[in-house]
Amino acid sequence: GQNIDQPTEMTATEGAIVQINCTYQTSGFNGLFWYQQHAGEAPTFLSYNVLDGLEEKGRFSSFLSRSKGYSYLLLKELQMKDSASYLCAVSDSNYQLIWGAGTKLIIKP
Amino acid sequence: IAGITQAPTSQILAAGRRMTLRCTQDMRHNAMYWYRQDLGLGLRLIHYSNTAGTTGKGEVPDGYSVSRANTDDFPLTLASAVPSQTSVYFCASSVLAGTGSYNEQFFGPGTRLTVL
Repeated sequence: GQNIDQPTEMTATEGAIVQINCTYQTSGFNGLFWYQQHAGEAPTFLSYNVLDGLEEKGRFSSFLSRSKGYSYLLLKELQMKDSASYLCAVSDSNYQLIWGAGTKLIIKP
Repeated sequence: IAGITQAPTSQILAAGRRMTLRCTQDMRHNAMYWYRQDLGLGLRLIHYSNTAGTTGKGEVPDGYSVSRANTDDFPLTLASAVPSQTSVYFCASSVLAGTGSYNEQFFGPGTRLTVL
């Protein structure tokens, strides 16, 4: 079967760095997405990785290791507005997205 | 319109009633999707359409139907609602992926549906 695993909840301090991990087992791989979802809102796109390595975009970076079925999202200089759920999704062999349950990130002052 | 719109924003529905959730996009995307999101679970795909005139079943299609008469609209119908269909429903669209490209999905604001 297809499976995406990520921690249910994480807590971090404003100004700090946090890493959210995602492991996956899917039928085929056509890239991995990270989305941000604030409470009561729609998911919004953060990053996409299809090759191994690190992709950096401002305060956010995303890493992929295809051989390990592993990705992480790194958030630097945390701000209160970063409090949200972070969703990991893998594009499978049919280009359908398989979604993890999401990681709720709580930022404390 | 800019992006994707959904209607209604929220709805309370009696069990057994028929309900259509509306979704319209103005980005000329080929592919459209319907998801439901429940607490503790990931987004689950109900139905999808890769292009106007075609539809496909996702992970949880039972009790739902869709149509894609044109590029812009992708309505989701619950023929006879049941309490287990209480959920938040998201419509999304993307440029259909091909080799070497990716299919970022853009989401509508969601419809919160309660079936009593």
